[in-house]
Amino acid sequence: GAVVSQHPSWVICKSGTSVKIECRSLDFQATTMFWYRQFPKQSLMLMATSNEGSKATYEQGVEKDKFLINHASLTLSTLTVTSAHPEDSSFYICSFTGGPSLPSYNEQFFGPGTRLTVL
Amino acid sequence: GDSVTQMEGPVTLSEEAFLTINCTYTATGYPSLFWYVQYPGEGLQLLLKATKADDKGSNKGFEATYRKETTSFHLEKGSVQVSDSAVYFCALSDRTGGFKTIFGAGTRLFVKA
Repeated sequence: GAVVSQHPSWVICKSGTSVKIECRSLDFQATTMFWYRQFPKQSLMLMATSNEGSKATYEQGVEKDKFLINHASLTLSTLTVTSAHPEDSSFYICSFTGGPSLPSYNEQFFGPGTRLTVL
Repeated sequence: GDSVTQMEGPVTLSEEAFLTINCTYTATGYPSLFWYVQYPGEGLQLLLKATKADDKGSNKGFEATYRKETTSFHLEKGSVQVSDSAVYFCALSDRTGGFKTIFGAGTRLFVKA
């Protein structure tokens, strides 16, 4: 399957600062990507969906001004948590799908996740 | 909207026991079904998938059959190992939903030696 990397794998920051998380697909061009957050011992909650070159579509209850998503290219997406607070502490996971042109077009390939801790 | 329901955990088994984790779904279209596994401290890994009715996905001794008539995709393994201890997520993805993946709540499995 395709390989997706995330950087950093973990980050600790002070309340009020901003944190950027990068997500890269290493061996295929992704048309659509997704950002999820996962609280301890809970399932993944979809935050937003984005297509390359378009604005992200946010799920209900997710603040678009707080969680800035930039799908800069077919291999890179970034999530910036602005003015982070302790309640933003979570495990953030990205995923790509290659779209209808790939044999496994309806399969998502997940990054390893980024653990964010806001003090 | 589409949804996935899976049995609550945690599930605790002894090594070599038989495993079943139930999963049912609701969907308006014809979804693909997946089982993902998450080991402690790691991201999700695809365990197996099935894209149409009666398909059987299998990997690492795990199996699941896409049952359209019962809208189910139960995960089974004949003999679990300690290394199978993880959280298992049932999920679906549907073209009509823009290929968003909808996850179940996850089932934590503990396997004792």
